Amino acid sequence: AIQMTQSPSSLSASVGDRVTITCRASQGIRSGLAWYQQKPGKAPKLLIYAASSLQSGVPSRFSGSGSGTDFTLTISSLQPEDFATYYCLQDYNFPLTFGGGTKVEIK
Amino acid sequence: EVQLVESGGGLVQPGGSLRLSCAASGFTFSDHYMDWVRQAPGKGLEWVGRSRNKPNTYSTEYAASVKGRFTISRDESENSLYLQMNTLKTEDTAVYYCARVLCTSTTCYGGDYWGQGTLVTVSS
Repeated sequence: AIQMTQSPSSLSASVGDRVTITCRASQGIRSGLAWYQQKPGKAPKLLIYAASSLQSGVPSRFSGSGSGTDFTLTISSLQPEDFATYYCLQDYNFPLTFGGGTKVEIK
Repeated sequence: EVQLVESGGGLVQPGGSLRLSCAASGFTFSDHYMDWVRQAPGKGLEWVGRSRNKPNTYSTEYAASVKGRFTISRDESENSLYLQMNTLKTEDTAVYYCARVLCTSTTCYGGDYWGQGTLVTVSS
């Protein structure tokens, strides 16, 4: 199975900060990567698919980049509603695998 | 409006069985791939399995941890997705989500719409 290594596992940031989360695949997955946001007690929400395509309705401060094995989710200016846990998912090979998550907390 | 509503969770003893349901509305159910994803208490997300769409004969894929114990099926007439879970283990305790899968002409990218989840607790 493809391993997805996400880093950092947590971070503290302030409103307005630029935040970057990375995900590394144990083998190449082309652009078969999605990013999700999850708030406590809620279902995950799709932010980015195909590594860099913004899902409809998601604010443009979210962006994704990368291909192959290394991927990045960037929040250009962190907003209060962005404090949550973020997960990457590879949908290139079965079994699908999620990264371990990155909890973004208020500094 | 796309809606997914899971039901059927509850408390079950180790070795027991449970069937989860996911009622879908607001889209053409047979056109879409569907996933089950779970999340153990305080843990991350784990993909459980996928049902492809009708043109792909509703074929299925499973995570190694559930293969041979869990079965995904659909009822087109009810617009419902099911997860039959047999020989349950304590480590199957989790919130189970169903999700409609986002697919382009060539590739899929996980769920674009998710249900609210249903809690399964496996304990004696």
